[in-house]
Amino acid sequence: DAGVIQSPRHEVTEMGQEVTLRCKPISGHNSLFWYRQTMMRGLELLIYFNNNVPIDDSGMPEDRFSAKMPNASFSTLKIQPSEPRDSAVYFCASRPQGVGELFFGEGSRLTVL
Amino acid sequence: AQSVTQPDIHITVSEGASLELRCNYSYGATPYLFWYVQSPGQGLQLLLKYFSGDTLVQGIKGFEAEFKRSQSSFNLRKPSVHWSDAAEYFCAVGDTNAGKSTFGDGTTLTVKP
Repeated sequence: DAGVIQSPRHEVTEMGQEVTLRCKPISGHNSLFWYRQTMMRGLELLIYFNNNVPIDDSGMPEDRFSAKMPNASFSTLKIQPSEPRDSAVYFCASRPQGVGELFFGEGSRLTVL
Repeated sequence: AQSVTQPDIHITVSEGASLELRCNYSYGATPYLFWYVQSPGQGLQLLLKYFSGDTLVQGIKGFEAEFKRSQSSFNLRKPSVHWSDAAEYFCAVGDTNAGKSTFGDGTTLTVKP
């Protein structure tokens, strides 16, 4: 079975540019999470969805960040405009119904110059 | 609010030696607890989980963890470490109501030959 698929795996962009990260969760999973990992702040939950509906976006750093889940098989995390401090690895994870473990993608490494 | 503390940022052990990684959590009710492992350039993978029942849980790759309510701890152990165990290890607590997981800052394990 395919796991969580993220794209792109690596993105290098310049400050001020728009960045879109994509995630395809595991089929049948009801919950989707976006995390950001940095050396300084560790693994931070940005936002999560249940049944395509955003439940908690309190971790989204500021208005430059937005996330959507138009259907059960696709989600995007957008940063506009990007800044150097947004450089991090962004992980998408999905989970079946309930409170079990998360299944992580391999991450998207973002570098903003 | 729930929280997780991993007191050891970095641990070095010799191959074949035993291992214990510490994890302390803060949560108002009976928690859902997890240990994940992250190899360089990869996403997080579940090692084991505790929801209820037997407080000693077995996981993959020969790992086990023990839930101790009185100490608010969920320490990870392995009797004999292999070089391939070198990675970063994350403890997490799951919110049984909101469904989101909070991660510790991680412990990096180095294995000496």
